[in-house]
Amino acid sequence: DVKVTQSSRYLVKRTGEKVFLECVQDMDHENMFWYRQDPGLGLRLIYFSYDVKMKEKGDIPEGYSVSREKKERFSLILESASTNQTSMYLCASYHTGRYGSSPLHFGNGTRLTVT
Amino acid sequence: DQQVKQNSPSLSVQEGRISILNCDYTNSMFDYFLWYKKYPAEGPTFLISISSIKDKNEDGRFTVFLNKSAKHLSLHIVPSQPGDSAVYFCAANYLYGNKLVFGAGTILRVKS
Repeated sequence: DVKVTQSSRYLVKRTGEKVFLECVQDMDHENMFWYRQDPGLGLRLIYFSYDVKMKEKGDIPEGYSVSREKKERFSLILESASTNQTSMYLCASYHTGRYGSSPLHFGNGTRLTVT
Repeated sequence: DQQVKQNSPSLSVQEGRISILNCDYTNSMFDYFLWYKKYPAEGPTFLISISSIKDKNEDGRFTVFLNKSAKHLSLHIVPSQPGDSAVYFCAANYLYGNKLVFGAGTILRVKS
């Protein structure tokens, strides 16, 4: 079974802090994603990466950056946390191919609260 | 502009009855559709998918129907069970695309 592990389940940070969210997958997947989930808005893509050191902006990249130094690890960075970044953050991965043949596998999420 | 819309925020169904969750999309370039299920404090898990070359796909109690002309798909759960209570997300993908577009989700409550 694919395992996508997010290092923290709950985080509370102060406005202006730099925040790191870590994600590790154990199935050698090339593609990794960061989403945020907000009520009424569903899952929105922040950034994704299809290879080590490669990254692409998703739909809402503002205020975020990412790092992919190793294939199994994809980090999301909030450069200066703001209250509107309070959300559930979900990491996901999949093996190269079509989604239908290899659906996204999600981690359990990190609930981030910025005060 | 939401390209994938789930217009019902919530649905309540009696155990044993049918649950029908609906999803509409606006982009005719979408060619693959998926449903994900999410329990509280867990990540979404893949449930069922359908290619645009089909109009129906069935997996046990779960069936997805696709109406391309109406740009509409639906997920049928028969019979519904209390363990089906969760948030259901509809998602769509482009031909040769590399990212999914998700709907806002529908909360399903199955009452025993």
